[in-house]
Amino acid sequence: EPEVTQTPSHQVTQMGQEVILRCVPISNHLYFYWYRQILGQKVEFLVSFYNNEISEKSEIFDDQFSVERPDGSNFTLKIRSTKLEDSAMYFCASSEIARIHTDTQYFGPGTRLTVL
Amino acid sequence: ILNVEQSPQSLHVQEGDSTNFTCSFPSSNFYALHWYRWETAKSPEALFVMTLNGDEKKKGRISATLNTKEGYSYLYIKGSQPEDSATYLCAFKKTSYDKVIFGPGTSLSVIP
Repeated sequence: EPEVTQTPSHQVTQMGQEVILRCVPISNHLYFYWYRQILGQKVEFLVSFYNNEISEKSEIFDDQFSVERPDGSNFTLKIRSTKLEDSAMYFCASSEIARIHTDTQYFGPGTRLTVL
Repeated sequence: ILNVEQSPQSLHVQEGDSTNFTCSFPSSNFYALHWYRWETAKSPEALFVMTLNGDEKKKGRISATLNTKEGYSYLYIKGSQPEDSATYLCAFKKTSYDKVIFGPGTSLSVIP
């Protein structure tokens, strides 16, 4: 069964460093998403991406964050200058072209980002 | 600020017991409600997408109902098994173009 994959599973970085989290969505899916969950808190939406551009982003997704689909298969989240509060589990998800009402999202296993 | 709540926060049941928990969301506008099961160290797995008031969905021993007028959805598990142990998340969408808002989850432990 097709699945969303994410690499790395765990990333440790120093504050101020740039990190790139990678996701390979399900191949026929056209909508892509990033979410994060800070330990002990709710899952939070970051950004959605369709047709090579951001379709929606939350207030969390500031200028430090960017997303890209560089080669038609990978979908990346870049954090330019990491802060301690960026430490979280980051989930990628994908869905088929969003039919009315359904847009079931399939999640990857997550990347745990630890900022020291 | 939209708030999606789930109760209880955690639940421990004996194997074979049936159980249910609640997701509450604002009733003023409604587009869709999603239920996910999230086992430790795995990806959240989509269970149901619910869109119409009065919807009832069923998948094996798990079922869900939806009341958009009063702003709640129930998830039921009949004859709980240890493999049902997971966190159950609901996610609410107010309109087609709004972001999805997750609830905090209900953590279910089924004791053999």
